[in-house]
Amino acid sequence: AQKVTQAQTEISVVEKEDVTLDCVYETRDTTYYLFWYKQPPSGELVFLIRRNSFDEQNEISGRYSWNFQKSTSSFNFTITASQVVDSAVYFCALAGGFKTIFGAGTRLFVKA
Amino acid sequence: DTGVSQDPRHKITKRGQNVTFRCDPISEHNRLYWYRQTLGQGPEFLTYFQNEAQLEKSRLLSDRFSAERPKGSFSTLEIQRTEQGDSAMYLCASSLDYQPHYFGPGTRLLVL
Repeated sequence: AQKVTQAQTEISVVEKEDVTLDCVYETRDTTYYLFWYKQPPSGELVFLIRRNSFDEQNEISGRYSWNFQKSTSSFNFTITASQVVDSAVYFCALAGGFKTIFGAGTRLFVKA
Repeated sequence: DTGVSQDPRHKITKRGQNVTFRCDPISEHNRLYWYRQTLGQGPEFLTYFQNEAQLEKSRLLSDRFSAERPKGSFSTLEIQRTEQGDSAMYLCASSLDYQPHYFGPGTRLLVL
């Protein structure tokens, strides 16, 4: 069975702090995809990044970076120099076969 | 590219009534998904279409739920004999194969 665990329910930081959101997944598939989505207060889910199971290269996009480690089944997301606009719920997701399974999400509060 | 649209955005109904929601995906996307999201949770998979074929349906989905995607274009999700436990946000998403989901704004259902 597939499973995605986001152990951090809520995180609160002060603007300009770095913050890491954890994601641990379980799957028996050898080919799968991992995603991060952002759900701002307005409600609509927005795609941030996709990785496939054969590509363990870390990725950086502006203030965002992702660390994919198959050995620990983790796909962590770091925001550097956080901003108030980063306040949202962030979901990690795992796709294999026809289904995409989402974690329960981590709510990030960034205070000015 | 007009994005994924859903109609209605809000629906209030009385227990026992039937409701139908519509989703218009991005036109070139072959995959269409329905999810349900309750407060504080991640999107929960309901069903998936590849073109007009419904390829997977969650075991959580009771017989009161039915979805269609005629001609592989828009999709409808019908809930018969609604119950208070059906109150949730119903999300539609579309994608090309394993490309990221593009989510619609959702339909918020309240069953009184």
